[in-house]
Amino acid sequence: GENVEQHPSTLSVQEGDSAVIKCTYSDSASNYFPWYKQELGKGPQLIIDIRSNVGEKKDQRIAVTLNKTAKHFSLHITETQPEDSAVYFCAATKAAGNKLTFGGGTRVLVKP
Amino acid sequence: NAGVTQTPKFRVLKTGQSMTLLCAQDMNHEYMYWYRQDPGMGLRLIHYSVGEGTTAKGEVPDGYNVSRLKKQNFLLGLESAAPSQTSVYFCASSYSGHKAYTGELFFGEGSRLTVL
Repeated sequence: GENVEQHPSTLSVQEGDSAVIKCTYSDSASNYFPWYKQELGKGPQLIIDIRSNVGEKKDQRIAVTLNKTAKHFSLHITETQPEDSAVYFCAATKAAGNKLTFGGGTRVLVKP
Repeated sequence: NAGVTQTPKFRVLKTGQSMTLLCAQDMNHEYMYWYRQDPGMGLRLIHYSVGEGTTAKGEVPDGYNVSRLKKQNFLLGLESAAPSQTSVYFCASSYSGHKAYTGELFFGEGSRLTVL
Protein backbone atom coordinates (compact mmCIF):
# COMPACT_ATOMS: atom_id res chain seq x y z
CA GLY A 1 0.00 0.00 0.00
CA GLU A 2 0.86 3.68 -0.02
CA ASN A 3 3.38 5.04 2.48
CA VAL A 4 3.75 8.78 3.13
CA GLU A 5 6.74 10.22 4.98
CA GLN A 6 6.59 13.80 6.29
CA HIS A 7 9.44 16.07 7.47
CA PRO A 8 10.16 17.80 9.72
CA SER A 9 8.06 16.64 12.64
CA THR A 10 8.37 20.05 14.31
CA LEU A 11 9.17 23.45 12.81
CA SER A 12 9.69 26.72 14.61
CA VAL A 13 9.81 29.93 12.58
CA GLN A 14 9.88 33.63 13.29
CA GLU A 15 6.77 35.57 12.34
CA GLY A 16 7.13 36.82 8.79
CA ASP A 17 9.52 34.07 7.72
CA SER A 18 8.64 31.19 5.40
CA ALA A 19 7.90 27.60 6.38
CA VAL A 20 8.38 24.54 4.20
CA ILE A 21 7.09 21.04 4.90
CA LYS A 22 8.12 18.12 2.70
CA CYS A 23 6.45 14.79 2.00
CA THR A 24 7.42 11.75 -0.01
CA TYR A 25 5.11 8.99 -1.20
CA SER A 26 5.77 5.46 -2.34
CA ASP A 27 2.97 4.56 -4.78
CA SER A 28 3.60 6.03 -8.24
CA ALA A 29 -0.11 5.57 -9.01
CA SER A 30 -1.10 8.18 -6.40
CA ASN A 31 -2.47 11.28 -8.09
CA TYR A 32 -4.22 13.39 -5.45
CA PHE A 33 -2.30 15.15 -2.69
CA PRO A 34 -4.19 17.23 -0.09
CA TRP A 35 -2.84 19.16 2.87
CA TYR A 36 -4.78 19.45 6.12
CA LYS A 37 -4.32 21.89 8.99
CA GLN A 38 -5.26 20.91 12.52
CA GLU A 39 -5.63 23.60 15.15
CA LEU A 40 -5.49 22.74 18.83
CA GLY A 41 -8.54 20.78 19.95
CA LYS A 42 -10.03 20.66 16.46
CA GLY A 43 -10.30 18.20 13.63
CA PRO A 44 -8.11 18.62 10.53
CA GLN A 45 -9.32 20.96 7.78
CA LEU A 46 -8.35 20.93 4.11
CA ILE A 47 -6.26 23.97 3.21
CA ILE A 48 -5.01 23.14 -0.27
CA ASP A 49 -4.69 20.18 -2.61
CA ILE A 50 -2.96 19.33 -5.84
CA ARG A 51 -3.57 16.74 -8.52
CA SER A 52 -0.89 14.96 -10.50
CA ASN A 53 -1.52 16.86 -13.72
CA VAL A 54 -0.38 20.10 -12.02
CA GLY A 55 3.11 20.96 -10.80
CA GLU A 56 2.26 23.87 -8.53
CA LYS A 57 -0.78 25.48 -6.96
CA LYS A 58 -1.02 28.67 -4.95
CA ASP A 59 -3.67 30.15 -2.68
CA GLN A 60 -2.69 33.48 -1.10
CA ARG A 61 0.19 32.74 1.30
CA ILE A 62 0.23 28.99 0.83
CA ALA A 63 1.50 27.00 -2.13
CA VAL A 64 2.05 23.36 -2.89
CA THR A 65 4.52 21.88 -5.36
CA LEU A 66 4.59 18.35 -6.75
CA ASN A 67 7.46 16.43 -8.31
CA LYS A 68 6.00 13.22 -9.71
CA THR A 69 9.33 11.87 -10.89
CA ALA A 70 10.86 12.12 -7.43
CA LYS A 71 7.54 11.29 -5.73
CA HIS A 72 7.60 14.20 -3.38
CA PHE A 73 5.44 17.23 -2.69
CA SER A 74 5.87 20.24 -0.45
CA LEU A 75 3.82 22.88 1.34
CA HIS A 76 5.16 26.43 1.41
CA ILE A 77 3.79 29.08 3.76
CA THR A 78 5.08 32.60 3.19
CA GLU A 79 4.93 35.59 5.56
CA THR A 80 3.97 33.34 8.47
CA GLN A 81 1.60 34.68 11.10
CA PRO A 82 0.79 33.42 14.62
CA GLU A 83 -2.48 31.92 13.35
CA ASP A 84 -0.43 29.61 11.12
CA SER A 85 0.67 27.77 14.28
CA ALA A 86 -0.92 24.31 14.00
CA VAL A 87 -0.23 20.71 13.00
CA TYR A 88 -0.10 20.15 9.25
CA PHE A 89 -0.69 16.80 7.54
CA CYS A 90 0.07 15.80 3.99
CA ALA A 91 -1.76 12.90 2.38
CA ALA A 92 -1.85 10.90 -0.83
CA THR A 93 -4.29 8.68 -2.66
CA LYS A 94 -4.83 7.15 -6.08
CA ALA A 95 -8.05 9.05 -6.61
CA ALA A 96 -9.88 11.78 -4.75
CA GLY A 97 -12.46 10.02 -2.66
CA ASN A 98 -10.45 6.90 -2.10
CA LYS A 99 -8.77 6.14 1.18
CA LEU A 100 -6.22 8.77 2.10
CA THR A 101 -2.83 7.82 3.52
CA PHE A 102 -1.57 10.56 5.85
CA GLY A 103 1.94 11.58 6.77
CA GLY A 104 2.97 11.74 10.42
CA GLY A 105 2.27 15.47 10.77
CA THR A 106 4.37 18.60 11.31
CA ARG A 107 3.85 20.82 14.32
CA VAL A 108 4.50 24.41 13.22
CA LEU A 109 5.12 27.12 15.80
CA VAL A 110 5.25 30.73 14.63
CA LYS A 111 7.04 32.91 17.17
CA PRO A 112 5.99 36.56 17.37
CA ASN B 1 -25.27 23.45 10.06
CA ALA B 2 -23.42 21.23 12.55
CA GLY B 3 -21.24 19.33 10.03
CA VAL B 4 -19.71 16.25 11.68
CA THR B 5 -20.50 15.65 15.34
CA GLN B 6 -18.80 13.08 17.55
CA THR B 7 -19.96 11.82 20.94
CA PRO B 8 -18.61 11.47 23.53
CA LYS B 9 -15.69 13.90 23.39
CA PHE B 10 -13.86 12.26 26.30
CA ARG B 11 -14.04 8.81 27.85
CA VAL B 12 -11.96 6.79 30.27
CA LEU B 13 -12.31 3.01 30.17
CA LYS B 14 -10.82 0.12 32.08
CA THR B 15 -9.17 -2.71 30.18
CA GLY B 16 -11.81 -5.14 28.93
CA GLN B 17 -14.72 -2.70 28.96
CA SER B 18 -16.70 -1.97 25.84
CA MET B 19 -17.95 1.28 24.38
CA THR B 20 -19.33 2.88 21.24
CA LEU B 21 -18.36 6.16 19.62
CA LEU B 22 -21.07 7.84 17.61
CA CYS B 23 -20.50 9.98 14.54
CA ALA B 24 -23.30 11.97 12.93
CA GLN B 25 -23.14 14.14 9.80
CA ASP B 26 -25.81 16.41 8.39
CA MET B 27 -24.26 17.04 4.96
CA ASN B 28 -25.85 14.04 3.21
CA HIS B 29 -22.39 12.60 2.54
CA GLU B 30 -22.09 9.06 1.20
CA TYR B 31 -18.64 8.25 2.55
CA MET B 32 -17.74 8.12 6.24
CA TYR B 33 -14.49 7.20 7.96
CA TRP B 34 -13.01 6.51 11.37
CA TYR B 35 -9.38 7.47 12.00
CA ARG B 36 -7.17 7.28 15.05
CA GLN B 37 -4.49 9.86 15.75
CA ASP B 38 -1.38 8.99 17.71
CA PRO B 39 1.71 11.17 18.25
CA GLY B 40 4.10 11.01 15.30
CA MET B 41 1.92 8.54 13.41
CA GLY B 42 -0.49 10.88 11.73
CA LEU B 43 -4.02 9.72 11.05
CA ARG B 44 -4.55 6.03 10.46
CA LEU B 45 -7.74 4.70 8.92
CA ILE B 46 -9.60 2.16 11.07
CA HIS B 47 -12.77 1.45 9.07
CA TYR B 48 -14.78 3.28 6.46
CA SER B 49 -18.12 3.15 4.69
CA VAL B 50 -19.06 4.07 1.14
CA GLY B 51 -22.79 4.09 1.81
CA GLU B 52 -25.60 3.08 4.12
CA GLY B 53 -25.33 -0.57 5.09
CA THR B 54 -21.72 -0.95 3.89
CA THR B 55 -18.45 -1.07 5.83
CA ALA B 56 -14.86 -1.92 4.98
CA LYS B 57 -11.57 -2.35 6.80
CA GLY B 58 -8.93 0.29 6.78
CA GLU B 59 -5.30 0.21 7.81
CA VAL B 60 -5.71 -0.68 11.50
CA PRO B 61 -9.08 -2.47 11.95
CA ASP B 62 -8.20 -5.03 14.63
CA GLY B 63 -10.09 -4.62 17.89
CA TYR B 64 -12.77 -2.38 16.37
CA ASN B 65 -16.16 -2.91 14.75
CA VAL B 66 -18.37 -0.46 12.89
CA SER B 67 -21.91 -0.13 11.66
CA ARG B 68 -23.65 2.21 9.21
CA LEU B 69 -27.36 1.51 9.65
CA LYS B 70 -28.34 5.05 8.69
CA LYS B 71 -26.67 7.24 6.10
CA GLN B 72 -26.03 10.03 8.57
CA ASN B 73 -24.53 7.87 11.36
CA PHE B 74 -21.35 5.82 11.62
CA LEU B 75 -20.66 3.94 14.87
CA LEU B 76 -17.28 2.72 16.07
CA GLY B 77 -17.29 0.00 18.70
CA LEU B 78 -14.62 -1.38 20.99
CA GLU B 79 -15.72 -4.75 22.33
CA SER B 80 -12.88 -5.28 24.81
CA ALA B 81 -10.78 -2.16 25.24
CA ALA B 82 -6.99 -2.43 25.53
CA PRO B 83 -4.43 0.21 26.61
CA SER B 84 -3.10 0.21 23.01
CA GLN B 85 -6.42 1.72 21.98
CA THR B 86 -5.75 4.87 23.97
CA SER B 87 -5.90 7.51 21.27
CA VAL B 88 -7.80 10.40 19.78
CA TYR B 89 -10.46 9.19 17.36
CA PHE B 90 -11.69 11.26 14.45
CA CYS B 91 -14.71 10.69 12.29
CA ALA B 92 -14.83 12.19 8.81
CA SER B 93 -17.22 12.28 5.89
CA SER B 94 -16.99 13.16 2.23
CA TYR B 95 -19.28 13.73 -0.69
CA SER B 96 -19.20 11.30 -3.56
CA GLY B 97 -21.25 13.13 -6.11
CA HIS B 98 -20.00 13.57 -9.61
CA LYS B 99 -19.08 17.02 -10.85
CA ALA B 100 -19.28 18.53 -7.40
CA TYR B 101 -16.90 16.01 -5.93
CA THR B 102 -13.69 17.48 -4.55
CA GLY B 103 -12.36 14.68 -2.39
CA GLU B 104 -12.38 16.89 0.70
CA LEU B 105 -12.79 15.16 4.05
CA PHE B 106 -14.82 16.95 6.72
CA PHE B 107 -13.67 15.98 10.19
CA GLY B 108 -15.36 16.03 13.56
CA GLU B 109 -13.57 17.54 16.57
CA GLY B 110 -12.35 14.22 17.89
CA SER B 111 -13.01 11.88 20.81
CA ARG B 112 -10.22 11.34 23.33
CA LEU B 113 -10.26 7.82 24.71
CA THR B 114 -8.07 6.61 27.55
CA VAL B 115 -7.91 2.92 28.44
CA LEU B 116 -6.41 2.16 31.84
